[in-house]
Amino acid sequence: GQQLNQSPQSMFIQEGEDVSMNCTSSSIFNTWLWYKQEPGEGPVLLIALYKAGELTSNGRLTAQFGITRKDSFLNISASIPSDVGIYFCAGQGIQGAQKLVFGQGTRLTINP
Amino acid sequence: KAGVTQTPRYLIKTRGQQVTLSCSPISGHRSVSWYQQTPGQGLQFLFEYFSETQRNKGNFPGRFSGRQFSNSRSEMNVSTLELGDSALYLCASRYGQGKFASETQYFGPGTRLLVL
Repeated sequence: GQQLNQSPQSMFIQEGEDVSMNCTSSSIFNTWLWYKQEPGEGPVLLIALYKAGELTSNGRLTAQFGITRKDSFLNISASIPSDVGIYFCAGQGIQGAQKLVFGQGTRLTINP
Repeated sequence: KAGVTQTPRYLIKTRGQQVTLSCSPISGHRSVSWYQQTPGQGLQFLFEYFSETQRNKGNFPGRFSGRQFSNSRSEMNVSTLELGDSALYLCASRYGQGKFASETQYFGPGTRLLVL
């Protein structure tokens, strides 16, 4: 099925470090969403972006909707142990399709 | 406000059996979408229901079906289970009446299905 290209696939960092991950697509999206998923749970929405160029923060998280509408990034500053999990980007509204298209996920591991 | 709930949380079935999963959306949400999550394929869209009607469908075989009730609760059914159907099945809800791209979907915790 269709997926976004999300990188990196995994990250191993020290507590306190900043984290950056991104998603790219060959197609334009009208909305970008970032979710976090922990083992045994469904994805939890972190940030929603609705406008090209939009930069939005949620606590230590910051995400941007790329100007070309084909990419987005998520930054986490000063990571803490509870940031561990899998982060997914999702595109919404591609070519009128009424579904979310997901990236493969970035697995974040933090060494205390 | 309660979130999206899914039952059961875990299920074990054998090949050839059929299974029904249930999803209750957030109060006021009328759209329910279903997704399959596997390590190999990631998160894949199954279908969406709105006002008791299937509004969108992904690329899954006819063994996967669903329905929605007047209270917006939705069920998903998989018949003649195969080993490859083992996955986490997630449902997501949204209001469903606005422009799709402007509405955020909220996910439930999922039902983990294991087919032996």
